[in-house]
Amino acid sequence: ETGVTQSPTHLIKTRGQQVTLRCSSQSGHNTVSWYQQALGQGPQFIFQYYREEENGRGNFPPRFSGLQFPNYSSELNVNALELDDSALYLCASSWGGSYNSPLHFGNGTRLTVT
Amino acid sequence: AQRVTQPEKLLSVFKGAPVELKCNYSYSGSPELFWYVQYSRQRLQLLLRHISRESIKGFTADLNKGETSFHLKKPFAQEEDSAMYYCARNYKLSFGAGTTVTVRA
Repeated sequence: ETGVTQSPTHLIKTRGQQVTLRCSSQSGHNTVSWYQQALGQGPQFIFQYYREEENGRGNFPPRFSGLQFPNYSSELNVNALELDDSALYLCASSWGGSYNSPLHFGNGTRLTVT
Repeated sequence: AQRVTQPEKLLSVFKGAPVELKCNYSYSGSPELFWYVQYSRQRLQLLLRHISRESIKGFTADLNKGETSFHLKKPFAQEEDSAMYYCARNYKLSFGAGTTVTVRA
């Protein structure tokens, strides 16, 4: 069984730039959720993708966008980066597009915006 | 806003002592609650979910709809239980801020 993998592991960007983070879901899973985790905080829900469509969104502005591909992998795109976007970004996969399914997490991408 | 509250950021107990991590959630519809755990240098992983009604690694949690709580308990803490614990619910997959548990020898 292949687990959730995220790339890159670390990234440094400048304010105003754009960034793309990638996630491969665990084999057998068709749903991907993205989270932002600031230091000392719990993961904050950004959005979920199911069947290549956004299936729910948290309180994040439109400059946070995503994609899901036919193989269920996913991308998180953030435009016009701000200093407060510095955080650990977690991807989690699950089955069935439901909020009731347990999540399987990747190790995260640490984004630093300077 | 739908919230999950974990009032304790840090919890320190001695090995063999009982441990209880508190979790409260804001009421809405049919809540499904989870506990996730992150051990040192490992990824966040599911510990247990209320619908399973099972004990994992000696931990149990009971959903109390009247008190809107889902506290995690273990009667005898072990050193390997030292970790970060997050309570989560199914509304937009909300997580609490987490509780760091340290079990001292």
